[in-house]
Amino acid sequence: NAGVTQTPKFRILKIGQSMTLQCTQDMNHNYMYWYRQDPGMGLKLIYYSVGAGITDKGEVPNGYNVSRSTTEDFPLRLELAAPSQTSVYFCASSSILSGTQYFGPGTRLLVL
Amino acid sequence: TQLLEQSPQFLSIQEGENLTVYCNSSSVFSSLQWYRQEPGEGPVLLVTVVTGGEVKKLKRLTFQFGDARKDSSLHITAAQPGDTGLYLCAGGGKLIFGQGTELSVKP
Repeated sequence: NAGVTQTPKFRILKIGQSMTLQCTQDMNHNYMYWYRQDPGMGLKLIYYSVGAGITDKGEVPNGYNVSRSTTEDFPLRLELAAPSQTSVYFCASSSILSGTQYFGPGTRLLVL
Repeated sequence: TQLLEQSPQFLSIQEGENLTVYCNSSSVFSSLQWYRQEPGEGPVLLVTVVTGGEVKKLKRLTFQFGDARKDSSLHITAAQPGDTGLYLCAGGGKLIFGQGTELSVKP
């Protein structure tokens, strides 16, 4: 099992550009999450999903969108990139809502 | 809003020393988790504590959940360079994370 995979590993965006961060898990987990991690700030939940077709906002959803068409995939979309979105983004999955979360390796995003 | 405060934020010690990291909240949590994150990687779960007063041991790491389930601590005995990393506590239905404790253990 690959676990949780994320692509790309690193990306530089110009202000106003858009991009999609990909996340795939092969553990058949219903729950998937997107976090951003800024230095000294821990992880902040952006969006989460409790199953295919169901998503909900986390603590910091502004500027992002998600979709969940399959159990395996949970892409995160940035429509109009802003410097404040410079961060490391982690995708995670779990079998229950408050259960062990398995994290991907992260995507480092720089918006200039 | 549930918040988790970790202290200290940074810790630099010599190999062989003991240390304790704290995770505090004004809210009650049904369980708390501790994760460890190495540079360039995602966090990995170390332990989950679910019962007030519970103590769990993982080799040289001892985790305790407060009696009132509002706080937790991580104690490392005889720290080694391999313990270096970012330690995060987390809790709540959608997993709120503390800001982390960055530990550096020098040989």
